[in-house]
Amino acid sequence: AQSVTQLGSHVSVSEGALVLLRCNYSSSVPPYLFWYVQYPNQGLQLLLKYTSAATLVKGINGFEAEFKKSETSFHLTKPSAHMSDAAEYFCAVRSSGSARQLTFGSGTQLTVLP
Amino acid sequence: DAGVTQSPTHLIKTRGQQVTLRCSPKSGHDTVSWYQQALGQGPQFIFQYYEEEERQRGNFPDRFSGHQFPNYSSELNVNALLLGDSALYLCASSLAAGNNQPQHFGDGTRLSIL
Repeated sequence: AQSVTQLGSHVSVSEGALVLLRCNYSSSVPPYLFWYVQYPNQGLQLLLKYTSAATLVKGINGFEAEFKKSETSFHLTKPSAHMSDAAEYFCAVRSSGSARQLTFGSGTQLTVLP
Repeated sequence: DAGVTQSPTHLIKTRGQQVTLRCSPKSGHDTVSWYQQALGQGPQFIFQYYEEEERQRGNFPDRFSGHQFPNYSSELNVNALLLGDSALYLCASSLAAGNNQPQHFGDGTRLSIL
């Protein structure tokens, strides 16, 4: 069964600093990986997805993630944090079954300090 | 282009009652998945509906049931509510065809059990 682990339930960065949110996955088959963002009282918005086409994936709002098979990682980065990036971020892996349901990590709350 | 819409946005029930949550998928989508997100946790897969049938189910009791209508909209029913059922219930829609289709989420229904 697939699973994901997000290291660090809370991350704080200063405005303009690098954002690095960590995600490690466990999968017996080549994984499909996703990052979602959740703002307060809202649903999940897709940031980016990895589907084996390229190891460096660019997403919306300046975010990108790099798939590293040797490290079983899919860390999310953004070169310069903005106040509007403050939110909860979820890494997810898609199952290989017919439903292709998502298994989510426990989330990382990002705080951006002025 | 309307995204995934869920109703109601908030709901308060008491233990033992029954509740029905509703979801309209994004235009063009034919598959609906339901997730439960407890406070401070990542979403957990409840079940998925495709062609008006439950295609796959997560680790949830039979008190959780669902339905999909010919227009692809869906309902989630929960019977004999428990305090532990308090959560944000998220609906996600996707296209069954194609291997790379991401799930699009609604803003959820916040269910509180007193």
